[in-house]
Amino acid sequence: NAGVTQTPKFQVLKTGQSMTLQCAQDMNHNSMYWYRQDPGMGLRLIYYSASEGTTDKGEVPNGYNVSRLNKREFSLRLESAAPSQTSVYFCASSPTGARGYTFGSGTRLTVV
Amino acid sequence: GQQLNQSPQSMFIQEGEDVSMNCTSSSIFNTWLWYKQDPGEGPVLLIALYKAGELTSNGRLTAQFGITRKDSFLNISASIPSDVGIYFCAGNQGAQKLVFGQGTRLTINP
Repeated sequence: NAGVTQTPKFQVLKTGQSMTLQCAQDMNHNSMYWYRQDPGMGLRLIYYSASEGTTDKGEVPNGYNVSRLNKREFSLRLESAAPSQTSVYFCASSPTGARGYTFGSGTRLTVV
Repeated sequence: GQQLNQSPQSMFIQEGEDVSMNCTSSSIFNTWLWYKQDPGEGPVLLIALYKAGELTSNGRLTAQFGITRKDSFLNISASIPSDVGIYFCAGNQGAQKLVFGQGTRLTINP
């Protein structure tokens, strides 16, 4: 009953460093998503993958790249971290986009 | 991008009180969903609504899909301490992704 697993849970980066946030789901869902959550801003979509082999930009894609490695895994990469990318990042999956998502527990990222 | 206007932004209530929050948009949505987020966790789906006018309950929670398809509300009856958290509305317009509201932070005084 793992659902959606995100790693790491916490990370501190220096400005300019790169890192990859990992996400894996075991529910055989087709669609996967990356959101960021900032105080007062709700959840904003960074990138999503409607199905294996496809990725699309969301509302705030600048500074990020994604890879849908296979049906289970969807990673988010920060090539050159900036303080504005300090946030909590959530991965989610869904059978289809119209149905409810299952979220991971989040990665809290601080860029100094 | 499309936004959902969720209100109120925060609520401070006494235990046992009823709670009401809503979400509105200038555009039509095909699906409305309500999520709850506990501190340090990801949001969890509470209720999903798929038809205009639909009224659905989940224990002490009741949600409705507005008849105009541009709004939805969530009610919580007889609040208890574990109801504390952030509540998000979300909507789908037929695409492969959801749009989320800004959230309502609920605080309960015992």
